[in-house]
Amino acid sequence: GAVVSQHPSRVICKSGTSVKIECRSLDFQATTMFWYRQFPKKSLMLMATSNEGSKATYEQGVEKDKFLINHASLTLSTLTVTSAHPEDSSFYICSARDRPSSTRSFRSYNEQFFGPGTRLTVL
Amino acid sequence: RKEVEQDPGPFNVPEGATVAFNCTYSNSASQSFFWYRQDCRKEPKLLMSVYSSGNEDGRFTAQLNRASQYISLLIRDSKLSDSATYLCVVNIDTGGFKTIFGAGTRLFVKA
Repeated sequence: GAVVSQHPSRVICKSGTSVKIECRSLDFQATTMFWYRQFPKKSLMLMATSNEGSKATYEQGVEKDKFLINHASLTLSTLTVTSAHPEDSSFYICSARDRPSSTRSFRSYNEQFFGPGTRLTVL
Repeated sequence: RKEVEQDPGPFNVPEGATVAFNCTYSNSASQSFFWYRQDCRKEPKLLMSVYSSGNEDGRFTAQLNRASQYISLLIRDSKLSDSATYLCVVNIDTGGFKTIFGAGTRLFVKA
């Protein structure tokens, strides 16, 4: 299957620091990437949908000025948590969806490939 | 009502048991359906897609009932390594693509 990487895997930072998380599709081009947040023992919550070359679409309740998303190329999306606070401590996971292709089935196109996640701890 | 609802769990079963997970979805624009597995402090990994015709992969069988808006996952001959959280995932496409995750059902398989 397709591979998505995330960097860094773990971040510990002081309150007020900005943290950038990278999400890369390694062997395919991702027109759409998704950013999720997961608190302990809770399900994944979609934060925003990132489309290459356009502005991200944020879910209700997610502050776009706090969680800056940039999808500058078909293989890279970044999430920047600006002025992080302890309540932003969470597991951040990105996923990517492949471009439609004649060599991939519709079902395969609908699959999301997840990055390994970034665990953010804000002190 | 949540868009995707799963059995609350946790399920505690002995090795070798058969366990069934249920999931219901509310949006009739739901297009595709998946079961993901998530281990503690890890990212979700696709277990299998779910089709109306049903699909089987070894000990795992998934079924979709569009009329009832219901998805199931059956695990036969449970192994210790099956212990994880199982997430029901639904893709909705109403002009914009959106993925909804169920809250997950935790499974503990014990020796």
